Amino acid sequence: GQQLNQSPQSMFIQEGEDVSMNCTSSSIFNTWLWYKQDPGEGPVLLIALYKAGELTSNGRLTAQFGITRKDSFLNISASIPSDVGIYFCAGPYYFGNEKLTFGTGTRLTIIP
Amino acid sequence: GAGVSQSPRYKVTKRGQDVALRCDPISGHVSLYWYRQALGQGPEFLTYFNYEAQQDKSGLPNDRFSAERPEGSISTLTIQRTEQRDSAMYRCASSPSWSGRVSTGELFFGEGSRLTVL
Repeated sequence: GQQLNQSPQSMFIQEGEDVSMNCTSSSIFNTWLWYKQDPGEGPVLLIALYKAGELTSNGRLTAQFGITRKDSFLNISASIPSDVGIYFCAGPYYFGNEKLTFGTGTRLTIIP
Repeated sequence: GAGVSQSPRYKVTKRGQDVALRCDPISGHVSLYWYRQALGQGPEFLTYFNYEAQQDKSGLPNDRFSAERPEGSISTLTIQRTEQRDSAMYRCASSPSWSGRVSTGELFFGEGSRLTVL
């Protein structure tokens, strides 16, 4: 089946630093999604990407849909304490479907 | 309600007992999904419904697991003869659109039901 591998698994950064993480797949995806999960909560959608090469921003977040369709990247600029959480990439099993495969997650911790 | 509501939030049961987990989706949402999430892992698909019809149950681990959504709104995930390996967070999500149409890919997740089987 499809697998989504995220790296790094965890990050420890200082407030104000920029963050980069990525997600790779063993197969092609037509949609890439980035979700964030706060402690004790369910995942919440941050950014959705629908076209290869697409670069989309949402405030301090920027995500890119890789040209090969097998990867995606998420960048967070000038991190703040509320950025702490687990970031998951996800993609639908096939186009137009919302049955999602989720990645392994990147846990972000901000060091005071 | 304003968000996806799940109950109970926590359930501790003894091995061999049956459990029923309930999900109340966002009002008007057509699609409803059940996921299971192990600690530190991403959610893993179990099954989903469009209206009252179960579209895909390929993620259910075995026949002890079943789900229903009889009136196209509230859904129940039932686990019979629970085993310790069933211990996990069970998350429900809903979506306004349905399979076959171009969608945003946005699922709205509930806070989950944490099941512990002793």
